[in-house]
Amino acid sequence: DIQMTQSPSSLSASVGDRVTITCRASQSIATYLNWYQQRPGKAPKLLIYAASSLQSEVPPRFSGSGSGTDFTLTISSLQPEDFATYYCQESYNTPESWTFGQGTKVEIQ
Amino acid sequence: EVQLVESGGGLVQPGGSLRLSCAASGFTLSTFWMTWVRQAPGKGLEWVANIKQNGDEKYYVDSVRGRFTISRDNAQNSLFLQMNSLRAEDTALYYCARGDIFSGYYHAIDVWGQGTTVTVSS
Repeated sequence: DIQMTQSPSSLSASVGDRVTITCRASQSIATYLNWYQQRPGKAPKLLIYAASSLQSEVPPRFSGSGSGTDFTLTISSLQPEDFATYYCQESYNTPESWTFGQGTKVEIQ
Repeated sequence: EVQLVESGGGLVQPGGSLRLSCAASGFTLSTFWMTWVRQAPGKGLEWVANIKQNGDEKYYVDSVRGRFTISRDNAQNSLFLQMNSLRAEDTALYYCARGDIFSGYYHAIDVWGQGTTVTVSS
């Protein structure tokens, strides 16, 4: 099974900060990597698919990069509504299995 | 409006059974892979099961294989999860979700329900 490891597990930041979250796969997954945002008490929301493609209606301050085993999610200028938990998810073995990272909680500093 | 609404959660004793349902609206269910994802209290997301558009392919995470069964009724726009031999570690919020294919290759979950809570406890 593919393991997904996110870092950090949590971070504190201020409005306007640039934030970067890392996701590492235990084996190469090419660009089969998605990012989701989950606000407290809400369902997750797809932000980025295929490592770097922005889902429709997602603000351009969100961006993704990487391929193989190392990926990043960047928020260029953190907004109040961005305080949430972010998950990466591999879809390399679709449809047999999917794995999520453990999540990164972005908190207000 | 594209929407998924789960039901059927509740409190059940260890070893018991529960059947979750998910009503889909605003899109044609038969054209999408569907999935169940769960989230234990205070924990992260865990993929549970996938089912192909016509229901002839089903896949499960190891921890539920043999105990849970995913199914669908496209005519009724519904997805189901039959959960048997429930354990305390199955306690979670269960999300019904839609899988879409982007650029012809990349699968991602693009629509989520609000979830239904399953609590396994004596």
